[in-house]
Amino acid sequence: EVQLVESGGGLVQSGGSLRLSCTASGFTFTTYTMNWVRQAPGKGLEWVAYISSRSSTTYYADSVQGRFTISRDNAKSSLYLQMNSLRAEDTAVYYCAKARYCSGGNCLLDYWGLGTLVTVSS
Amino acid sequence: EIVLTQSPGTLSLSPGERATLSCRASQSVTSNYLAWYQQRPGQAPRLLIYGASSRATGIPDRFSGGGSGTDFTLTISRLEPEDFAVYYCQQYGSSVALTFGGGTNVEIK
Repeated sequence: EVQLVESGGGLVQSGGSLRLSCTASGFTFTTYTMNWVRQAPGKGLEWVAYISSRSSTTYYADSVQGRFTISRDNAKSSLYLQMNSLRAEDTAVYYCAKARYCSGGNCLLDYWGLGTLVTVSS
Repeated sequence: EIVLTQSPGTLSLSPGERATLSCRASQSVTSNYLAWYQQRPGQAPRLLIYGASSRATGIPDRFSGGGSGTDFTLTISRLEPEDFAVYYCQQYGSSVALTFGGGTNVEIK
């Protein structure tokens, strides 16, 4: 059974940093592209970042470019999101999601974690 | 960037009724690479439909997807209590940033 478990969320002040983690199990992690997607309270889904299976390619949403860094450790089946210079508008539940298929930086996401809440206070 | 517009924003129906949700793309979706996700309150999104009309693993056959080009639909033939949720469409055919539609909330009438 595929499982994705996020952690690392919490309350942080504007301008601060946070590192999210996602631990994967139930599939061959090294084979799949992974993504982070977020959802602000009461809002829709917003893609955040993409990383290819061997970390050779990353993409970011314009809203986080230059502030967030996606990475992975295939030996640990783990995905990360380093978030710096956080703003109030980054407040959201952050989901990690496994890609089933990708066309360039655009993926079909077949499994999602339960998410971790990041709250940025101003 | 392909913009996806979902309608209606809210659909108020009773259990047992048929639900038809729409997703319109600002330009043609390559290879009909259009997906639908369900998000129940307090839960993560779940993949329902991919390739416009293929059901994901474990999805009941009361869910069906259709359409092509720029106009797509998700139909729930007979609403069960657990189907009241928010539904998002997403296209994955263009090699630019992943985008979702704004969502349709299917609520109990």
